[in-house]
Amino acid sequence: AQKVTQAQTEISVVEKEDVTLDCVYETRDTTYYLFWYKQPPSGELVFLIRRNSFDEQNEISGRYSWNFQKSTSSFNFTITASQVVDSAVYFCALIPNYGQNFVFGPGTRLSVLP
Amino acid sequence: EPEVTQTPSHQVTQMGQEVILRCVPISNHLYFYWYRQILGQKVEFLVSFYNNEISEKSEIFDDQFSVERPDGSNFTLKIRSTKLEDSAMYFCASSAGIASYGYTFGSGTRLTVV
Repeated sequence: AQKVTQAQTEISVVEKEDVTLDCVYETRDTTYYLFWYKQPPSGELVFLIRRNSFDEQNEISGRYSWNFQKSTSSFNFTITASQVVDSAVYFCALIPNYGQNFVFGPGTRLSVLP
Repeated sequence: EPEVTQTPSHQVTQMGQEVILRCVPISNHLYFYWYRQILGQKVEFLVSFYNNEISEKSEIFDDQFSVERPDGSNFTLKIRSTKLEDSAMYFCASSAGIASYGYTFGSGTRLTVV
């Protein structure tokens, strides 16, 4: 069975602070894919990143970076120099190879205060 | 960029009524999905659909639910007799290939059962 845990329910930071959102997953599959989605107050799900289980390179995209550590089954997401527009709920999700459906974590609500 | 379109964005219905949520997936996509998000909770898989039939469904997707692709472009979710606990955001998604390459989600339909 697959499971995704996001232990931080809510985080508040002040603008320009760095913030890391934690994600820990469980799966018995050797091949799987990890994702992060952002859900702003308007409600839609915005794709941020996809990472496969064989690629442990960290990735940076602008102010966003992701740290994938297979040894600890973690896929953490860092926002550098946070902005008010980063305020949203962030979901980590897993899908096994040839799987049909995402398993989402419970989400972390990030509030960036001006 | 191609989009998955969902209508309506918000629907209010009386308990016990039938409701149909509509989705127009991306035109060359072959796999279609419905997910549900009860307010403040995580996103949960309902059903996947491929080649005009259900390929996988979750425990949530009971006999009250059905899906259909009536005309080659729309993909609908029907709830036969709505309950208060069906109040949620319903997301449609589609993908060109296997799910692990990621989906495109629609912006969701917020269903409120009163």
